[in-house]
Formats: sequence, structure tokens, C-alpha cells
Amino acid sequence: AQSVTQLDSQVPVFEEAPVELRCNYSSSVSVYLFWYVQYPNQGLQLLLKYLSGSTLVKGINGFEAEFNKSQTSFHLRKPSVHISDTAEYFCAVSVNQAGTALIFGKGTTLSVSS
Amino acid sequence: DVKVTQSSRYLVKRTGEKVFLECVQDMDHENMFWYRQDPGLGLRLIYFSYDVKMKEKGDIPEGYSVSREKKERFSLILESASTNQTSMYLCASSFRGYNEQFFGPGTRLTVL
Repeated sequence: AQSVTQLDSQVPVFEEAPVELRCNYSSSVSVYLFWYVQYPNQGLQLLLKYLSGSTLVKGINGFEAEFNKSQTSFHLRKPSVHISDTAEYFCAVSVNQAGTALIFGKGTTLSVSS
Repeated sequence: DVKVTQSSRYLVKRTGEKVFLECVQDMDHENMFWYRQDPGLGLRLIYFSYDVKMKEKGDIPEGYSVSREKKERFSLILESASTNQTSMYLCASSFRGYNEQFFGPGTRLTVL
């Protein structure tokens, strides 16, 4: 079975500082990896995904993530955050099979202050 | 743009009531999912469906049922609502063979 661990439940950071949100996964088979963002009172929106190919994945709003198979990690990074990045971020994994359900981590709340 | 809509943003029901949460997607997706989201627990899968009239239990199906009579619509049913079902409910859909899911805005259900 697959599982996802988001290592930080809350990450406070000042505006224009860099940020890293950490995600580790567990799986005995190859996986697809995703990061979603949820702004207050909204549904989830896809930030970026890793399906295959280059291990550095770029997403929307200046975010990027790196797939590290040996470390079983998929950490999300942004070099300079804005107040508007304040949201909850979810890492998710699915096995490399068509149409399977996603397994989500418990989420990381990113709070950006001025 | 893919659009997933949910019938209500906020819903208040009484214990013991039968509750229907409706989800509609307009992109001809084969797969549809229902999750509940609780603080500190993330998203947990309740049920999913790979095709019309098909359903599969997720991680927490107890107290819930689902219905998928048409491809675009997936309903979550609480047969007898209880206070521990107070939560945010999120619907999602995806194409068969493609694991990216598209989410609706969510329904915040309060059971009194």
C-alpha cells in the first residue's frame, strides 16, 4: 500500500523568503506524484505533477518540486513567496496504473506574513 | 476549463436526516470520487466510481452510500446523518488512464 507523509503541519514564513514544503512517500511500485493547493473556502487546485521524465517539475505560481526516487521524496519549493501564497498544500501519490485513486498527505499550512 | 460543481457550498442538517450531496462534472470524465476533509486528517476517500453504475469503497465508507446513474453525476448519500459526519466534502473527477483529479469547491456539512 502507498502512503504519504508531509513532514510539517505548519510553515510560517515572511514575504519574499524562500520556502520548502516537505513530502515523503512510501510505495513498493512506481508512482505518480502531485501537489495541490487549497485557498480558504475553496476546492483543491493542481500546482504540479510528476508522471515521468525530468525529476524537476515546474508548476503554476512559480512553484517547483523535485522527485527523488532514492529518498522517496517530492519536496515543493518556491524561491520567493507572496502573501497570496498563504494556503494549505497537499502532497498526493497514486500508483502507476490508470485511474487509481489518489492518496493524500495530511496537508501543510503555509502562512506568509509581511 | 474543466468544471466540477457541487450542489451546495454550505448545508445544515439534523441528526437522523437523509442527506444527498450532488456532484456534476462537464468534461466527460469516467472517474469520480468523494472525499471528506477534516483538520489534521487531510483528505480521506469515501467512495469512487470508474463508470456509470459502478462504485468502489474507499478508506472510510461506513455511514455513506453513493449513486452514479449518469456519467456526469455522482451523488453521496448519508442514510442517517450523525454529528460525526460534520465535515467538508469534496468531489473530484478524472479521465480514465490519467490520474490528475479536478476538484469541486466543496460542501461544508454541519449535522446538529
